[in-house]
Amino acid sequence: QKEVEQNSGPLSVPEGAIASLNCTYSDRVSQSFFWYRQYSGKSPELIMSIYSNGDKEDGRFTAQLNKASQYVSLLIRDSQPSDSATYLCAVNWGGSNYKLTFGKGTLLTVNP
Amino acid sequence: SQTIHQWPATLVQPVGSPLSLECTVEGTSNPNLYWYRQAAGRGLQLLFYSVGIGQISSEVPQNLSASRPQDRQFILSSKKLLLSDSGFYLCAWSLSPNQPQHFGDGTRLSIL
Repeated sequence: QKEVEQNSGPLSVPEGAIASLNCTYSDRVSQSFFWYRQYSGKSPELIMSIYSNGDKEDGRFTAQLNKASQYVSLLIRDSQPSDSATYLCAVNWGGSNYKLTFGKGTLLTVNP
Repeated sequence: SQTIHQWPATLVQPVGSPLSLECTVEGTSNPNLYWYRQAAGRGLQLLFYSVGIGQISSEVPQNLSASRPQDRQFILSSKKLLLSDSGFYLCAWSLSPNQPQHFGDGTRLSIL
């Protein structure tokens, strides 16, 4: 069974700090990786996609992918209280697979 | 740009009643469509997905069914709701298997 693992948290960081969220996955040949943010009571919102090894930056967000070690991470710089949410990691296993496998999410709390 | 509409936003139904939730996508053709359920405090559970009109793949055997009568319309149904059907139902679309999925606002279903 292919799995996506995340630390459930909660992860608590002070405002202005860097929040680091991690995700590991079980299949080495996975091709597509996504980070979603889900506020309490709301639907998931895509914040980052990453497909190749290395870093991808978008504003305060940086996704890091290491396929050899089978992990993907999300860094949030200058964390704001509005970043407080559950962050979901999702993986597409590639080939003709139409599905995403989601981790259970990490709850991030940014304290003012 | 593409948009996804999902309704109703909230629904309270008695046990044993039928269910119909509808999702439509605008601004694209032949999207892949998905139905998820998220129980309170739990992860996303994929229920059904569709890669074309009339093509439905079921992920979890249960008393729910899905249909895709038109290219951009996806319907989730039940003939008789159970208490365990309570949850947050999310519709999502994607352009291709390795592209991210984009979620609607969701329907919060409570069974009494």
